[in-house]
Amino acid sequence: DAKTTQPPSMDCAEGRAANLPCNHSTISGNEYVYWYRQIHSQGPQYIIHGLKNNETNEMASLIITEDRKSSTLILPHATLRDTAVYYCIVRVADGGSEKLVFGKGTKLTVNP
Amino acid sequence: NAGVMQNPRHLVRRRGQEARLRCSPMKGHSHVYWYRQLPEEGLKFMVYLQKENIIDESGMPKERFSAEFPKEGPSILRIQQVVRGDSAAYFCASSLSLAGVKNEQFFGPGTRLTVL
Repeated sequence: DAKTTQPPSMDCAEGRAANLPCNHSTISGNEYVYWYRQIHSQGPQYIIHGLKNNETNEMASLIITEDRKSSTLILPHATLRDTAVYYCIVRVADGGSEKLVFGKGTKLTVNP
Repeated sequence: NAGVMQNPRHLVRRRGQEARLRCSPMKGHSHVYWYRQLPEEGLKFMVYLQKENIIDESGMPKERFSAEFPKEGPSILRIQQVVRGDSAAYFCASSLSLAGVKNEQFFGPGTRLTVL
């Protein structure tokens, strides 16, 4: 079972920031937080991951709370093409299984 | 650098036939993963392979399903005697092999299997 909980759906206006929350209250010290998205039945696309520090790349920013029990994925200027299902996944850093455990994700709809 | 390739993209089979799904990982990647997505559901892990070895098959159904990743050629997911419940999208992913580093998985476009 997925170790994360996310809201089932969210809406965002085009051009505005989209903030997608994720709760992972049982996360262990050696687990990373990963984000993927799936655009309309395509293969999932890797977005970003982090351990405890905030991370930023060309796609998004990841803010992890100090206690690491929750995180927020930020798309700074959402476009219509960002409409997708976003998955938050926790995964051990070393050892353990390589598999990704997907939950139900958040369906983000970006409106014009 | 080409991404993960899967073929066929769409596959139609009648009940009782065999389905073979192929996955070519990204260049330089030696880890392959298979996931299944039933309609309106999230992806479920099936199997994790390295060249010529099955590392984790905890998500594979006990019967009719098998996977391989030979030394040469693509990874194959084989479903024997398909049933309607096998209708789903099957995604393959690949990652690098770097000791001690958990690398992100890159996904292919998927194969959509329809069983009539």
